Amino acid sequence: QVQLQQWGAGLLKPSETLSLTCVVYGGSLSGYYWTWIRQPPGKGLEWIGEISHRGSTKYNPSLKSRVTISVDTSKNQFSLKLTSVTAADTAVYYCARGEELGDWGPGTLVTVSS
Amino acid sequence: QSVLTQSPSASGTPGQRVTISCSGSSSNIGSNYVYWYQQLPGTAPKLLIYKNNQRPSGVPDRFSGSKSGTSASLAISGLRAEDEADYYCATWDDSLSAWVFGGGTKLTVL
Repeated sequence: QVQLQQWGAGLLKPSETLSLTCVVYGGSLSGYYWTWIRQPPGKGLEWIGEISHRGSTKYNPSLKSRVTISVDTSKNQFSLKLTSVTAADTAVYYCARGEELGDWGPGTLVTVSS
Repeated sequence: QSVLTQSPSASGTPGQRVTISCSGSSSNIGSNYVYWYQQLPGTAPKLLIYKNNQRPSGVPDRFSGSKSGTSASLAISGLRAEDEADYYCATWDDSLSAWVFGGGTKLTVL
């Protein structure tokens, strides 16, 4: 059973860079896309982007200029960076396995506030 | 404003059958598989239906999915109190080159 654990800073100031990492336990990164999704408080889900184990990426066009997703196969983990954050980026950020999003991390609340 | 349209709420009594709909367009639902997720309060979403009508291992057969044209539906039969949750549909959008979600439907079990 694959488990995803994620970590990163939970409180940021406007203009800072959000940085989150998701480590995969009980399975390999190979053969899947690995995805980041976010959910503002009380709102719906938004796809941020995804990366294959080989490093091929797809990003949400609305965030593309600020997003970088990377993968480290040696550590069985993948990461999200979102630059120039504002209050609108306040959300629970989830990592998930596959384009089907078959397995999810527990989520990390990231709050952007001055 | 979500690309996929879902009714904000739905309700039913225990034992009833309820249906949650998801409406899109030719560039998303009309040409790609639909996925459904269940989000219980305070938890991460969980995959409920994949590729329009397939259930992952462990998902009860009370949950079923269907797709017709540019719309999709999730049906829950034999409604139970623990089914009270938010439900989201999702699919790939060829025009946006992005995965898109519905706004979510909050299911209340009366």
